[in-house]
Amino acid sequence: AQRVTQPEKLLSVFKGAPVELKCNYSYSGSPELFWYVQYSRQRLQLLLRHISRESIKGFTADLNKGETSFHLKKPFAQEEDSAMYYCALQTGANNLFFGTGTRLTVIP
Amino acid sequence: DVKVTQSSRYLVKRTGEKVFLECVQDMDHENMFWYRQDPGLGLRLIYFSYDVKMKEKGDIPEGYSVSREKKERFSLILESASTNQTSMYLCASTKPGQTNSYNEQFFGPGTRLTVL
Repeated sequence: AQRVTQPEKLLSVFKGAPVELKCNYSYSGSPELFWYVQYSRQRLQLLLRHISRESIKGFTADLNKGETSFHLKKPFAQEEDSAMYYCALQTGANNLFFGTGTRLTVIP
Repeated sequence: DVKVTQSSRYLVKRTGEKVFLECVQDMDHENMFWYRQDPGLGLRLIYFSYDVKMKEKGDIPEGYSVSREKKERFSLILESASTNQTSMYLCASTKPGQTNSYNEQFFGPGTRLTVL
């Protein structure tokens, strides 16, 4: 069975500090992973997907199959990064299995 | 611009009532999903649908049913609401994926349901 683990429910960092949101997965198939974000009073939206290898809003995430991880990183946190972040694993044709989420707070 | 709308932002119902949550998308997406979002538990898939009149159980289907009579509309039904169904309900839609395609799910704004 699949599993997505986000070990930190809450994470606080100071503005300008590096931030890393951890995500580990367990899946017998070939993993396809995403990060979704929900800003205050906004709907959940895609932040980035590993297949694209892109940087969105300064965030990057690298799939490490050896460590079964897909950590989200940003070198310099901004106040507007404060949000709820979910790591998600695609398990079927279009099904997503979500982690429990990490609430990031960037302290001014 | 993709639009996924949900019929209500807030609902308050009583235990035992039948509850309908409606979701409509305007992007001609084949696939639609219902999740519930709870603190500390993340998003959990209740039901999904790949096409009109088709439905599949997700991870937590107990106590719920769904209806997909039209492509753009996906309804979640609580046959007899219970207090443990108090939650935020999110609807999502996406285009169907071919093998090894990874399409973004577009989410609605959510319906916060309180069952008293």
